[in-house]
Amino acid sequence: SYELTQPPSVSVSPGQTATLSCSGDNLGNKYAAWYQKKPGQSPVLIIHQDTKRPSGIPERFSGSNSGNTATLTISGTQAMDEADYYCQAWDNSNIFFGGGTKLTVL
Amino acid sequence: QVQLQESGPGLVKPSGTLSLSCTVSGGSVSTTTYYWVWIRQPPGRGLEWIGSIYDSESTYYNPSLKSRVTISRDTPGNQVSVKLSSVTAADTAVYFCARGYGSYLDKWGRGTLVTVSS
Repeated sequence: SYELTQPPSVSVSPGQTATLSCSGDNLGNKYAAWYQKKPGQSPVLIIHQDTKRPSGIPERFSGSNSGNTATLTISGTQAMDEADYYCQAWDNSNIFFGGGTKLTVL
Repeated sequence: QVQLQESGPGLVKPSGTLSLSCTVSGGSVSTTTYYWVWIRQPPGRGLEWIGSIYDSESTYYNPSLKSRVTISRDTPGNQVSVKLSSVTAADTAVYFCARGYGSYLDKWGRGTLVTVSS
């Protein structure tokens, strides 16, 4: 089974840049996606195919993926960005999620 | 705009079978462009992939659940369903259905809480 590892928590001050990582064996050879999840809500796709933002997702969200690590970067973090973030990969029709990172904006 | 809505019993007895449906509106479950996925989130924990169904009726399951899970599609009803047998308290979770496109999930339902308890 393929494993994706995320740090459990990341803290950032408002207006600063948050960097969230997701590690997996040769993850750079697969596409990574990122989801934002707030309590009581369904996950929202914010990055797909490593770097692409769906329509309606603010430009402050960006992604990269190389080697063993995919990264979600939130520039100019806002209080509304406080949430859990999950990375996800797809391999041979199997779907894998990271354990999630709780982003605290303080 | 496609919408997904999960439905089913919110309470299941231990050793019983959990059965949920996902009704798709604004799109067809028979599409060859997308596939359909079930995911769950136990209280206080992360997202867990349960399984997926493709237009060819091919199904793929999380190995940890494979012996207990079945995903099927009801084309006339435009629904996708999941059945999980021999449930225990560990199966208590919010269950989501989602639409898959290539390597990612672009639309999600709101989720439904299923509690396993006697």
